[in-house]
Amino acid sequence: AQSVTQPDIHITVSEGASLELRCNYSYGATPYLFWYVQSPGQGLQLLLKYFSGDTLVQGIKGFEAEFKRSQSSFNLRKPSVHWSDAAEYFCAVGARRGSTLGRLYFGRGTQLTVWP
Amino acid sequence: KAGVTQTPRYLIKTRGQQVTLSCSPISGHRSVSWYQQTPGQGLQFLFEYFSETQRNKGNFPGRFSGRQFSNSRSEMNVSTLELGDSALYLCASTLDGTAGDTQYFGPGTRLTVL
Repeated sequence: AQSVTQPDIHITVSEGASLELRCNYSYGATPYLFWYVQSPGQGLQLLLKYFSGDTLVQGIKGFEAEFKRSQSSFNLRKPSVHWSDAAEYFCAVGARRGSTLGRLYFGRGTQLTVWP
Repeated sequence: KAGVTQTPRYLIKTRGQQVTLSCSPISGHRSVSWYQQTPGQGLQFLFEYFSETQRNKGNFPGRFSGRQFSNSRSEMNVSTLELGDSALYLCASTLDGTAGDTQYFGPGTRLTVL
């Protein structure tokens, strides 16, 4: 069965520090992988996605993520965090190419707090 | 292009009542998915509509239903509300809902059941 695990429920970093949010997935084949961010009272905004090819994916707001097939991981990184990055981050997995099963399976989220 | 819009943004209902939530997708998008977000269960898939047909369904009771209109706008209905239905209901639209198609989310409808 498909599943996504985000081991860290809450992370606190200082502004300007680097950030890595962990994501592990379980899926029968190489899935599509996504990172979304949710600010309080808002919907989900797509940060980046991985389909195939280069395993290092660049996204918006200076975020990047690296797909590691051997570890079934898709960790999100940012070299220098800004106070406005404080939000909840969700990793999600989608079905394989060509499938009409367009639904996403989400992790439980990681709440990011940024200290000034 | 305008984003995904959801109405209303907030709703308060009492147990036993029913509620209808509305979602207008991005212009040109034909697939609409609904998700329920709660602190206890996280984000869970409810169902997906494409060309006025329910194409995928999550593991929710029959009290949860939906439909899609010819203009791709979608509504979801929850009958006989229970306290546990209190949640943020998110709608997402995609071009055609195939795997990998980017899902664009609306701001959600916050439903509180008293």
